[in-house]
Amino acid sequence: EAGVAQSPRYKIIEKRQSVAFWCNPISGHATLYWYQQILGQGPKLLIQFQNNGVVDDSQLPKDRFSAERLKGVDSTLKIQPAKLEDSAVYLCASSPRQGLYNEQFFGPGTRLTVL
Amino acid sequence: DAKTTQPNSMESNEEEPVHLPCNHSTISGTDYIHWYRQLPSQGPEYVIHGLTSNVNNRMASLAIAEDRKSSTLILHRATLRDAAVYYCILRALNTGGFKTIFGAGTRLFVKA
Repeated sequence: EAGVAQSPRYKIIEKRQSVAFWCNPISGHATLYWYQQILGQGPKLLIQFQNNGVVDDSQLPKDRFSAERLKGVDSTLKIQPAKLEDSAVYLCASSPRQGLYNEQFFGPGTRLTVL
Repeated sequence: DAKTTQPNSMESNEEEPVHLPCNHSTISGTDYIHWYRQLPSQGPEYVIHGLTSNVNNRMASLAIAEDRKSSTLILHRATLRDAAVYYCILRALNTGGFKTIFGAGTRLFVKA
């Protein structure tokens, strides 16, 4: 079974530029998550999708971050414009369904450096 | 939101058991306790989860205190490949939906 795929793996941009990350979850997984992990910290949930609907985006900085999951499969996370403090690893995860007991499967992440 | 507290780091010898503690004194009755681990340059990997009873799987055991305010992840025989950051997480349901709250984790060092 293929895991969660993310691209690109690395990205370097200058502040005020835009950037987009792509995630392909495990086939059949209805729930998709985007996390931000700053160096030395645990991942912070940015947004959770159930199929193509947003379940929780309470910690997404909506003035600059946006995410979509068209057709309930792939997802993109965009930052526009980027700030220095956005430097982090962006992790995508998926699980078969919502539920407090469901395991989340994580991708390898995209490491973003903002100069 | 309920939070977890873990030691910053722990050290173990190879082939010995490791007990990784986690405090979650504000846990609610329906919150699940999950453990994930993260190897260098990889995404987190699921280890185990539980609600009230102790749990065992092929990777580890989870011991949950009777009052659920703390839990312990037990690696029965540490190997060098177990060196990672271990996260104790509460998964909770509140008005905003399902919450997954990671703490800073415990970095486990395993000595040969």
